Amino acid sequence: EAGVVQSPRYKIIEKKQPVAFWCNPISGHNTLYWYLQNLGQGPELLIRYENEEAVDDSQLPKDRFSAERLKGVDSTLKIQPAELGDSAVYLCASSPMTGSGTGELFFGEGSRLTVL
Amino acid sequence: SQQGEEDPQALSIQEGENATMNCSYKTSINNLQWYRQNSGRGLVHLILIRSNEREKHSGRLRVTLDTSKKSSSLLITASRAADTASYFCATDVYGNKLVFGAGTILRVKS
Repeated sequence: EAGVVQSPRYKIIEKKQPVAFWCNPISGHNTLYWYLQNLGQGPELLIRYENEEAVDDSQLPKDRFSAERLKGVDSTLKIQPAELGDSAVYLCASSPMTGSGTGELFFGEGSRLTVL
Repeated sequence: SQQGEEDPQALSIQEGENATMNCSYKTSINNLQWYRQNSGRGLVHLILIRSNEREKHSGRLRVTLDTSKKSSSLLITASRAADTASYFCATDVYGNKLVFGAGTILRVKS
C-alpha cells in the first residue's frame, strides 16, 4: 500500500515569492492534515480536512497561507508571499477516521522549505 | 501552542540499555500517542493508549499513562542503534485535535 506522498521534498525560494506544496493521502483516508514543523520542535497543526471540508483551520495564517482539497483527495498548501520565518518542514498526514476522536496518523516525508 | 512536554530533551545511551522518555500534558485527553521521527523523515506512529488504559505493550515498547498526573512514559527495552531518532508524544485533545510535544532526541551508541 502506498503511503502519503508529498512533493516537492525540498524547495528554496526568495522571500516574497509564492510556493505550493502537494499531498496525496493514502487511498480511502478521508481526513487530511497539514502540519508545520520548525527545527527542533514538534509538528503544529495548520489545517485539518474531513473529505473536502476544512473543519479546523484556526491555526492557518490566512493572510498568506491558503489550502484546498478538491474532490476530497489530493491537497495543496500555498504560501504567498513567503517570508523568512516560513522556513520549516511542511508535513502532510492522513487518517481513515472522521468525526469524534483522532486515531493513528500516517505522515508523508515532508516538504522542506528554505526562504532566502 | 504545544500541550505535551517531553522529558528529557535529549538522551544518550549505550546499545542494549533501556531508554525511558516522559511526557506531561495539561488538559483532559481522549488518547495519547507516541511517534518516532528519523532525521529528515516523516513521523511514524508507534503506539496509542486510550485514556481508560494504564499500560500498553508493543514489541520492545512499553507505554504507561497516568491520567491523574497527566503524564505518560515510553520505555524502549534493549535499545539498538536503529532506535536513534526523535520521539514525540501527541495528545488527542477532545475536539479532534492531535497536539504534539517538542520531542526527545534519543541517541543509541553502538
